[in-house]
Amino acid sequence: AQKITQTQPGMFVQEKEAVTLDCTYDTSDPSYGLFWYKQPSSGEMIFLIYQGSYDQQNATEGRYSLNFQKARKSANLVISASQLGDSAMYFCAMREASGTYKYIFGTGTRLKVLA
Amino acid sequence: KAGVTQTPRYLIKTRGQQVTLSCSPISGHRSVSWYQQTPGQGLQFLFEYFSETQRNKGNFPGRFSGRQFSNSRSEMNVSTLELGDSALYLCASSQGAGDGSDTQYFGPGTRLTVL
Repeated sequence: AQKITQTQPGMFVQEKEAVTLDCTYDTSDPSYGLFWYKQPSSGEMIFLIYQGSYDQQNATEGRYSLNFQKARKSANLVISASQLGDSAMYFCAMREASGTYKYIFGTGTRLKVLA
Repeated sequence: KAGVTQTPRYLIKTRGQQVTLSCSPISGHRSVSWYQQTPGQGLQFLFEYFSETQRNKGNFPGRFSGRQFSNSRSEMNVSTLELGDSALYLCASSQGAGDGSDTQYFGPGTRLTVL
């Protein structure tokens, strides 16, 4: 069965430093997509980055990169040069290409950037 | 291109009442999903509509229902409100392609308070 696990309920990082948010997943489908979302205190979920299961290279979007290790079934989000505005809740999600096509979300990691 | 819009943004109801929430997806998107988010339960999937048909359903009682119109706009209805229904309700739209790359984009949410 599909499953997303985020083991870090909360994390702190110093401004301008890099931080890695962990995400592991479980699926038997060979074709799937992995996503990261940011949810500031305002509540809106903001799409950050996508990685396909067949993509050979790690996805990058500005200061965000996804460290995709297929054999380990991990899809960690790396935020470089952290900013105060990065303080938010971060969710990892997965969608399979077959079956129900449901999105499965992790429980999230709350990131606090310190000045 | 306009993003996902949700109305109303805030709502206060009393127990036993019913409520209807509205979601307008990004132009061209045919799939709309609804989620309930509470501090205790996290992000929970309610249902997904694609081309006016319910494609997926979460584990919520029948008091929660939805529908999608021919222009892809969607409504969610909750009847006989309970205190536990107080939550942030998020709507997300996507193109609806049946593969793992289908990215969901979220609206700002409707914050429902049941007194």
